[in-house]
Amino acid sequence: AQSVTQLDSHVSVSEGTPVLLRCNYSSSYSPSLFWYVQHPNKGLQLLLKYTSAATLVKGINGFEAEFKKSETSFHLTKPSAHMSDAAEYFCVVSDLTRGGSYIPTFGRGTSLIVHP
Amino acid sequence: EAGVTQSPTHLIKTRGQQVTLRCSPISGHTSVYWYQQALGLGLQFLLWYDEGEERNRGNFPPRFSGRQFPNYSSELNVNALELEDSALYLCASSLRGLAGVETQYFGPGTRLLVL
Repeated sequence: AQSVTQLDSHVSVSEGTPVLLRCNYSSSYSPSLFWYVQHPNKGLQLLLKYTSAATLVKGINGFEAEFKKSETSFHLTKPSAHMSDAAEYFCVVSDLTRGGSYIPTFGRGTSLIVHP
Repeated sequence: EAGVTQSPTHLIKTRGQQVTLRCSPISGHTSVYWYQQALGLGLQFLLWYDEGEERNRGNFPPRFSGRQFPNYSSELNVNALELEDSALYLCASSLRGLAGVETQYFGPGTRLLVL
């Protein structure tokens, strides 16, 4: 069975400082991993995804994430936060189910707060 | 290119009533997914349709059902509404039926309030 844990429900940073949103997962096979962002009153948007290629994945808006199999982690980082980064971030793991199909499991979300 | 659209945007119902939510995928996408985003619970997978067939469903009671039409649009039906069904219902579409590798594109959601 697959699961995903976002270790922080809220992360607060100052504009211009680095961002770290933590995600740990468990899966039975070789998972695909995603980060999505949800701005207030808007749908989810894909930031980046890992599908067994390079372990360091670069996404949109300067975000990147590193897949670390030994640590079962897929943390999201950005060198310098911008006010527009304030949003809810979801880590997603997708793995083969018993029925042979992939079903994504979403983390509970991390709310990123950016102070001026 | 138009994104995923959902209707209505907001809905208020009372306990016991029935509701139908609608989703139109991005042109060319054959897979549609439904999620429930209840306050404090994150996104919960509801249903997955691909090529007109239900491929998988999450851990929800049978009163949650849906279908996918030949043009790949989809409906989510919820019967016998309960207070805890109040949530944002999100629809997503993807190019192929492999949720594991294909990017899902999300609509803005339908916010349902059950009184």
